[in-house]
Amino acid sequence: KQEVTQIPAALSVPEGENLVLNCSFTDSAIYNLQWFRQDPGKGLTSLLLIQSSQREQTSGRLNASLDKSSGRSTLYIAASQPGDSATYLCAVRGNQFYFGTGTSLTVIP
Amino acid sequence: DTGVSQDPRHKITKRGQNVTFRCDPISEHNRLYWYRQTLGQGPEFLTYFQNEAQLEKSRLLSDRFSAERPKGSFSTLEIQRTEQGDSAMYLCASSLEGRNTEAFFGQGTRLTVV
Repeated sequence: KQEVTQIPAALSVPEGENLVLNCSFTDSAIYNLQWFRQDPGKGLTSLLLIQSSQREQTSGRLNASLDKSSGRSTLYIAASQPGDSATYLCAVRGNQFYFGTGTSLTVIP
Repeated sequence: DTGVSQDPRHKITKRGQNVTFRCDPISEHNRLYWYRQTLGQGPEFLTYFQNEAQLEKSRLLSDRFSAERPKGSFSTLEIQRTEQGDSAMYLCASSLEGRNTEAFFGQGTRLTVV
């Protein structure tokens, strides 16, 4: 069964700092990997989708990488802002989506 | 299109009652997923549909849970004889068919069983 792990579980940074969130998965036979943002009590907002054949995907201040062979993905957030405070979830896709437990990010003004 | 819509947003029910949730996916999406999320955890897979066919069910989906998507459009998730352990956020997602398609989630239904 696919296991997805996210490190760290929580992260607190001052505004303006660049940061990296990590996601690892045990089975490299995935179709794609998606990063989501979740605000407290809310649903999931899709941030980036990386196809299994891709190495990297960028959207604004966000950059996600994928190393399928080693079972790892990173989400890089540049110049963090207080509005980035949320929980970030990665999900790997087989027939279903397998989620990690998320990284709770707090950006301090 | 307003995205994936879930109703109700919040539901408080007494233990032993039945509850039903509705999900309206993005209109052209033929795949629909149900997930459950408890506090501090990532979403856990419950079931998914392709059009009206229910293709996979998790072992988490006990006999008290049933999901339908009768015309391949909206879906309902019913929980019978609710238990306190059913308290969670129930999330619905939809996507186009295919391996490299993006999934979009609704805002969820927060269920509290008292």
